[in-house]
Amino acid sequence: AQSVTQLDSHVSVSEGTPVLLRCNYSSSYSPSLFWYVQHPNKGLQLLLKYTSAATLVKGINGFEAEFKKSETSFHLTKPSAHMSDAAEYFCVVRKAAGNKLTFGGGTRVLVKP
Amino acid sequence: ETGVTQSPTHLIKTRGQQVTLRCSSQSGHNTVSWYQQALGQGPQFIFQYYREEENGRGNFPPRFSGLQFPNYSSELNVNALELDDSALYLCASRKGGDNEQFFGPGTRLTVL
Repeated sequence: AQSVTQLDSHVSVSEGTPVLLRCNYSSSYSPSLFWYVQHPNKGLQLLLKYTSAATLVKGINGFEAEFKKSETSFHLTKPSAHMSDAAEYFCVVRKAAGNKLTFGGGTRVLVKP
Repeated sequence: ETGVTQSPTHLIKTRGQQVTLRCSSQSGHNTVSWYQQALGQGPQFIFQYYREEENGRGNFPPRFSGLQFPNYSSELNVNALELDDSALYLCASRKGGDNEQFFGPGTRLTVL
């Protein structure tokens, strides 16, 4: 079975500073990995996905993530936080195409002016 | 906006009652999944429907059931509601295969 651990439940950054959200996964297969963002009263939006191609994945809104198999990690970064980045972020693993998504517990990001 | 809509947006029920939540998938999407998101947690997979048949289920009891209609819209039914069923219920649709899932805004269910 696969699982996902998000190492920080809350992250607080100042506007304009880098953001790092940490994610470790466990999977006996070569997984597909995703990051989703959830703004209040809105649906989950896909930021980026890794599906065994390039290990550095670029997503929307300046986010990127690096897949490191040796560390079983898929950390999400952004060089410069914006106020609109304040939201809940979920790291997600999927065993195979068409299979269910397994979500981490989420990281709530607060951006201070 | 993703084109996936859910109704109602909020719902309050009492223990033991039954509830039906509805999801209208994005045009052209034949696969619908339902997730339960308890407060402060990540979503958990309930089940998935493909062309009107359930083809995957998470660790939820049989009192959680669903339907998918010929137009690919879907319902989630929960019988004998319990307090722990209070959560945000999310619906996601996709074209099938390896395509991206698009999530609706959710239905907030409160069980008193």
